[in-house]
Amino acid sequence: GAVVSQHPSWVICKSGTSVKIECRSLDFQATTMFWYRQFPKQSLMLMATSNEGSKATYEQGVEKDKFLINHASLTLSTLTVTSAHPEDSSFYICSAKGTNYEQYFGPGTRLTVT
Amino acid sequence: QKEVEQNSGPLSVPEGAIASLNCTYSDRGSQSFFWYRQYSGKSPELIMSIYSNGDKEDGRFTAQLNKASQYVSLLIRDSQPSDSATYLCAVGGNEKLTFGTGTRLTIIP
Repeated sequence: GAVVSQHPSWVICKSGTSVKIECRSLDFQATTMFWYRQFPKQSLMLMATSNEGSKATYEQGVEKDKFLINHASLTLSTLTVTSAHPEDSSFYICSAKGTNYEQYFGPGTRLTVT
Repeated sequence: QKEVEQNSGPLSVPEGAIASLNCTYSDRGSQSFFWYRQYSGKSPELIMSIYSNGDKEDGRFTAQLNKASQYVSLLIRDSQPSDSATYLCAVGGNEKLTFGTGTRLTIIP
């Protein structure tokens, strides 16, 4: 149980375009999902907390107009990177919160902006 | 500012020995404590959760929590080469978790 999927697993896009990443909880309902970013050899950085049916809460320094988050259902949250630039290239990982505060991570999406 | 601190390592342990990973946290109100394993290039995987003082065992893994000392640890018995990874300590309350920077563990065959 507690399986979280992400799609796509990797994506290459041109600078200036937008990319959407989907995060799904497959076998449980997640009222809260989280989006993280991780650069090589660095720790996880929380970008935002996504609650079903409400606006996401962004961490300090994360541009909400650049990283659009939608949590439309109890099993799906999406992150759209708008007007992507090479510095946005990173490993994006979502997680879904279970019943005892634990977080289950998706496999991650590796974004490369050329 | 809630903080979670881990020894960044790397920690090298011979195969078959016990690996001991430590973590301290600053927020006394923390209620939930987790250990995640992250292989290089992969996302974190939850391996242990603990919520009350004492020990919790699951197979070769034992988590230990001491809320008075604000300390949580992970012991890995009979270490295997497949245990080589970065181990993340995470501490939380009702909402988000605060992660440590991770300890890189290498099991030497």
